[in-house]
Amino acid sequence: EAQVTQNPRYLITVTGKKLTVTCSQNMNHEYMSWYRQDPGLGLRQIYYSMNVEVTDKGDVPEGYKVSRKEKRNFPLILESPSPNQTSLYFCASSLKLASTDTQYFGPGTRLTVL
Amino acid sequence: AQSVTQLGSHVSVSEGALVLLRCNYSSSVPPYLFWYVQYPNQGLQLLLKYTTGATLVKGINGFEAEFKKSETSFHLTKPSAHMSDAAEYFCAVSGGIYNQGGKLIFGQGTELSVKP
Repeated sequence: EAQVTQNPRYLITVTGKKLTVTCSQNMNHEYMSWYRQDPGLGLRQIYYSMNVEVTDKGDVPEGYKVSRKEKRNFPLILESPSPNQTSLYFCASSLKLASTDTQYFGPGTRLTVL
Repeated sequence: AQSVTQLGSHVSVSEGALVLLRCNYSSSVPPYLFWYVQYPNQGLQLLLKYTTGATLVKGINGFEAEFKKSETSFHLTKPSAHMSDAAEYFCAVSGGIYNQGGKLIFGQGTELSVKP
């Protein structure tokens, strides 16, 4: 089954404790991105990757890191989480570009930073 | 640059009634327009998209949207609401092939409630 998977689905952590949210897709998509969803703000792009070893900042990259060592995986890293990073996070992938192709979204990761 | 405004953060309709969710956009290049739906506790999935060609676009689950360039709008409609349509709906815009970064800009979302 074609899908985007994220882990964990729920995470409660404390300020400053490094964490990683994994994302994997099995559709051989080139483009992957991370979004955060906050009430009243819709989805905002954090980082994106157009292919292996090619990543770039989205609209709200501060406090986040990503890597794309393999085509299927695109982990999101929070080196020192803060309470303002409490949010619902989505990973998405598309064949080429998010601007032209259908994006496939993971189920989301709800992160709470205390 | 692109931006999206969804009018109404919450819309409530009765089962069987017309669904109309409003979306206006701004774009400096010919836009690509999308509607995504998010059911509770799930990720987003594509309802429909406009790229080029026919301005009336049909999507899944009986939804359709019409691209009106003169009004910079891409409103989503469904003739008869069903209880299963209750979800949050997001309109999104991009610069399509003109957007080198491949970015999609989302509106703030409209939550649709369907009353029995």
